[in-house]
Amino acid sequence: AQTVTQSQPEMSVQEAETVTLSCTYDTSESDYYLFWYKQPPSRQMILVIRQEAYKQQNATENRFSVNFQKAAKSFSLKISDSQLGDAAMYFCAYRSGNRDDKIIFGKGTRLHILP
Amino acid sequence: AAGVIQSPRHLIKEKRETATLKCYPIPRHDTVYWYQQGPGQDPQFLISFYEKMQSDKGSIPDRFSAQQFSDYHSELNMSSLELGDSALYFCASSIRGPSTNEQFFGPGTRLTVL
Repeated sequence: AQTVTQSQPEMSVQEAETVTLSCTYDTSESDYYLFWYKQPPSRQMILVIRQEAYKQQNATENRFSVNFQKAAKSFSLKISDSQLGDAAMYFCAYRSGNRDDKIIFGKGTRLHILP
Repeated sequence: AAGVIQSPRHLIKEKRETATLKCYPIPRHDTVYWYQQGPGQDPQFLISFYEKMQSDKGSIPDRFSAQQFSDYHSELNMSSLELGDSALYFCASSIRGPSTNEQFFGPGTRLTVL
């Protein structure tokens, strides 16, 4: 079975600084997708960034980028120029390449932004 | 752009009562997923439907049932409610196709069982 592990329950970063959230996963599949979701206090699940396992290039979305290390099964999220609005719970997530498959979430990392 | 609609947004029930949660997927989306997120927990997959047929099942209690209707909306029926059923219930929808099949999440229904 696939698992997703986030070893940092909470993190803090100064506004405008850069922070990296860690995630490791375990799978025997070769075709899969990895995601980072943001859940602010409103508890809406917001997709931050997505990575296809077959792509070697790391995904980037504005201030958000990932470091995808397939062999190490590592998928970290880097947030540059942190803003107060980035404060939220961040979930790392995995989905099989099977098109209808469920999403498996990690336990989450709560990110605090210090003004 | 249209998003996933869930109703009601908040629901308060007593123990042993029944609750029905509704999900209206994004137009043309044919797949619906239900997730349960307990307090301080990560979302857990319950069940999914594709073209009105159950496609996958997770850790859904036998007291819960769900279905997808001809207009693709889905309902999650929960009976004999327990205190532990208090959670945020997400519905997500996607459209089957050759690409990522991204799941779009609704705002959730917050269920409180007293």
